[in-house]
Amino acid sequence: AQSVTQPDIHITVSEGASLELRCNYSYGATPYLFWYVQSPGQGLQLLLKYFSGDTLVQGIKGFEAEFKRSQSSFNLRKPSVHWSDAAEYFCAVGVGSARQLTFGSGTQLTVLP
Amino acid sequence: DADVTQTPRNRITKTGKRIMLECSQTKGHDRMYWYRQDPGLGLRLIYYSFDVKDINKGEISDGYSVSRQAQAKFSLSLESAIPNQTALYFCATSDVPGLAGSPANTGELFFGEGSRLTVL
Repeated sequence: AQSVTQPDIHITVSEGASLELRCNYSYGATPYLFWYVQSPGQGLQLLLKYFSGDTLVQGIKGFEAEFKRSQSSFNLRKPSVHWSDAAEYFCAVGVGSARQLTFGSGTQLTVLP
Repeated sequence: DADVTQTPRNRITKTGKRIMLECSQTKGHDRMYWYRQDPGLGLRLIYYSFDVKDINKGEISDGYSVSRQAQAKFSLSLESAIPNQTALYFCATSDVPGLAGSPANTGELFFGEGSRLTVL
């Protein structure tokens, strides 16, 4: 079965600083990869997804992620963080024809003024 | 209005009570899911349904049951609630991955805003 690891439980950055959130997956083939964001009191919103083609994908709110097959990683990046980016971020993996998603445990992002 | 609506948004109940969480969607998706979110554990799949006649157990189905009343409605029941079922519950929908006419469809999930359940 596939698994997803988000090694950082909590990250704190200053507003305007760059951000990288790590995601590693375990699966024998190339999975479908997703990043979701959850703001307080809200459901999860899709930031971006990868399924094939260019390994650098652009998402909403200025986020991007890079798929690295050799490292089984799909890290999320943003060059300059805004205070409104404070939220919890989830990486997810979908495999097989059913494409059920398995979620990582999440990374809580705090943004300092 | 939200595409995926969950009711109630918040509920406090007592051990042993029966609880139903309801989900309705206007996205026209065939697939519906119930997830549970606990701090530090991410989201775990409870049940999923690929159409009205199809119900499947997920990773943590014990203590839960579901009903798919229509394409647009999927409810989650706790027959006899216990304190460790205190959690945030999410309903989600998705289209069929790779559906003809939308080859890029990856089956991404669309979430409701969640139902916070507290069992005392």
